[in-house]
Amino acid sequence: EIVLTQSPGTLSLSPGERATLSCRASQSVSSSYLAWYQQKPGQAPRLLIYGASSRATGIPDRFSGSGSGTDFTLTISRLEPEDFAVYYCQQWGSTFGGGTKVEIK
Amino acid sequence: QVQLQESGPGLVKPSQTLSLTCTVSGGSISSGSYYWSWIRQPAGKGLEWIGRIYTSGSTNYNPSLKSRVTISVDTSKNQFSLKLSSVTAADTAVYYCARGEYSSSCLDYWGQGTLVTVSS
Repeated sequence: EIVLTQSPGTLSLSPGERATLSCRASQSVSSSYLAWYQQKPGQAPRLLIYGASSRATGIPDRFSGSGSGTDFTLTISRLEPEDFAVYYCQQWGSTFGGGTKVEIK
Repeated sequence: QVQLQESGPGLVKPSQTLSLTCTVSGGSISSGSYYWSWIRQPAGKGLEWIGRIYTSGSTNYNPSLKSRVTISVDTSKNQFSLKLSSVTAADTAVYYCARGEYSSSCLDYWGQGTLVTVSS
């Protein structure tokens, strides 16, 4: 069973700053099957990135994904107030990482 | 626009079976391009994948829950269901249903979630 480890657990940043979130897999994951989700309090998760680097419909281009093998990254180029949330990676539509909370510094 | 809606009891007694249904609207559950998943989230914690069912009827389950989980589909009602047996307080969570896109295995549409509490 593949385990996904996300780091850091919490990222404290100011609006306008760049956020870099990591997702590391315990064994190689097909890039085609790596996704990222955003979740705000009281809401269901929302798909941001699929196939490691493709933005889902309606997702702003400040969100980008990259990586392959066991190391994947979600980057938010300039944080907007609405981007402060928890982010999860997922592989093959099953296992989720533990999440990274992006909070306002 | 595809929409998913969870329904079922909000309170289940310990040792009983939790049963939830997800109703899909705006698209056919029989489409071969998608599969149908259940995910849960205890309060203040992360997401836990429970399992999924394909239109063929085949299923995949989280190994840690496999012995207690059954996911089924009713194409005539455009619904799929979750049964989790022998529940304990540790099964208290918000339960989400979601649609999985076959080619990328991402979950592109989610229900709003329903809170299930296990308590006597």
